[in-house]
Amino acid sequence: SYVLTQPPSVSVAPGQTARVTCGGDNIEYKSVHWYQQKPGQAPVLVVHDVTDRPSGIPERFSGSNSGNTATLTISRVEAGDEAEYYCQVWDSSSDHFVFGTGTKVTVL
Amino acid sequence: QVQLVESGGGVVQPGTSLRLSCAASGFTFSRFGLHWVRQAPGKGLEWVALTSYDGGNKYYADSVKGRFSISRDNSKDTLYLEMNSLRPEDTALYYCARDVRALGTYSYFDHWGQGALVTVSS
Repeated sequence: SYVLTQPPSVSVAPGQTARVTCGGDNIEYKSVHWYQQKPGQAPVLVVHDVTDRPSGIPERFSGSNSGNTATLTISRVEAGDEAEYYCQVWDSSSDHFVFGTGTKVTVL
Repeated sequence: QVQLVESGGGVVQPGTSLRLSCAASGFTFSRFGLHWVRQAPGKGLEWVALTSYDGGNKYYADSVKGRFSISRDNSKDTLYLEMNSLRPEDTALYYCARDVRALGTYSYFDHWGQGALVTVSS
C-alpha cells in the first residue's frame, strides 16, 4: 500500500517560514491535499490539489510537489498556525485514501 | 452553512456491534460523496470508508473491510457506519467528512463533523 511519510515535528519562530514535507513514491504524479488540525478540533482543509487554497485560507499557506516530496509552506508564521498538519492523496492502485503520518508545527 | 453531526458513539465490548450516524445539512446531500475517517487517541488520521453520491460505489480500508459497512439515506440526509466484530484497536474518534466530488475517488475532504467517540473495551 502507498505510504506517506512526514517529519514528526517542525519548529519555527514567529514571522519566519515553516516547511512541512510529505514523502511518497513518485508523489509528483499525485494530487496532494493538506489539512490543519488544532487540539480538540476537527481537521480543516488548507491546501488542495497541490497548490490551491479554499476560500478563507490565508495566502501564507502554499504548496508544491516535485519528485518524491510534496511540501506545505507556511509563510510569516503566526502563533495561530501552531497545529498538526497532514498530507493526503488518493492511491489509485488500491482505491484507498491515504494520510501522511502528521507533523506537529510548533511556533517558538 | 455545511453541517455534519455525528452520533451513536459509546463504550462497547469487543466482538459487539455499533452503528454511527451522521446528519447533514446546509447542502444538497445527494450530490456528494461521503467518508468516515477515524483518529485513535493521540494518533493520526486514518481513512475508513467512502460511499459515492448514490451509494452505488463503496470503498473500505483494509483494516475494516468485511467488518464495517457504510451506507446512506438520501431521503434523510444521513450517512451511516455499521461496525461489527469490534476490536480494541477500533477505539477512535470517528469523523464524517464530505468529499468535494460525487464519486469521491481521486479527491479530498472539504467539510468535517466534530466526531463521535467509540471505545471498545472489556
